[in-house]
Amino acid sequence: GQQLNQSPQSMFIQEGEDVSMNCTSSSIFNTWLWYKQDPGEGPVLLIALYKAGELTSNGRLTAQFGITRKDSFLNISASIPSDVGIYFCAGPTRPEKLTFGTGTRLTIIP
Amino acid sequence: DAGVTQSPTHLIKTRGQQVTLRCSPKSGHDTVSWYQQALGQGPQFIFQYYEEEERQRGNFPDRFSGHQFPNYSSELNVNALLLGDSALYLCASSLSFQGEGSPLHFGNGTRLTVT
Repeated sequence: GQQLNQSPQSMFIQEGEDVSMNCTSSSIFNTWLWYKQDPGEGPVLLIALYKAGELTSNGRLTAQFGITRKDSFLNISASIPSDVGIYFCAGPTRPEKLTFGTGTRLTIIP
Repeated sequence: DAGVTQSPTHLIKTRGQQVTLRCSPKSGHDTVSWYQQALGQGPQFIFQYYEEEERQRGNFPDRFSGHQFPNYSSELNVNALLLGDSALYLCASSLSFQGEGSPLHFGNGTRLTVT
């Protein structure tokens, strides 16, 4: 089946740094979603992308829908402690059935 | 506006037992999906319920079954539990008419441990 690979697998950064992560697929997606999951909680939707080439922002977060429709990127500017968590990309393989990526774990070093 | 609520939050069962997990969707949502998230992995789709029927199913055995009630709430049942069923079980709700990619709203999950 379809697989979504995220990189990097984990990141250790200092507060205030910018963060970049990406997600690649073996197949084309028509929608890309980015979720964040905090410990002990369910994933929370951050950004939804619906069109190839689309660039969408949500506060300090910016995500892009790759032109090939096989990748997507998420950037976080000026990281703060509450950005810690696991970031998942996801795409629908059938309506409302999401395939999730492998996740990028973000840790902020004091 | 209540989000997706799941119960119980934690559960410990023994191999071979059966378990039932419960989910109430976000207000106004009519579709419920269940996902299994093993430690260190992304969520994996189990199945989806709409209009009280299973509409889609992922690659999970028949030991996993579900139900949706007229008020859109849902249950996930797992029979003959195996150690490998230990995971976080997430419920997500959405609006059916929004179609492909309609954002899912997740609950905080039920942590199931099978010993």
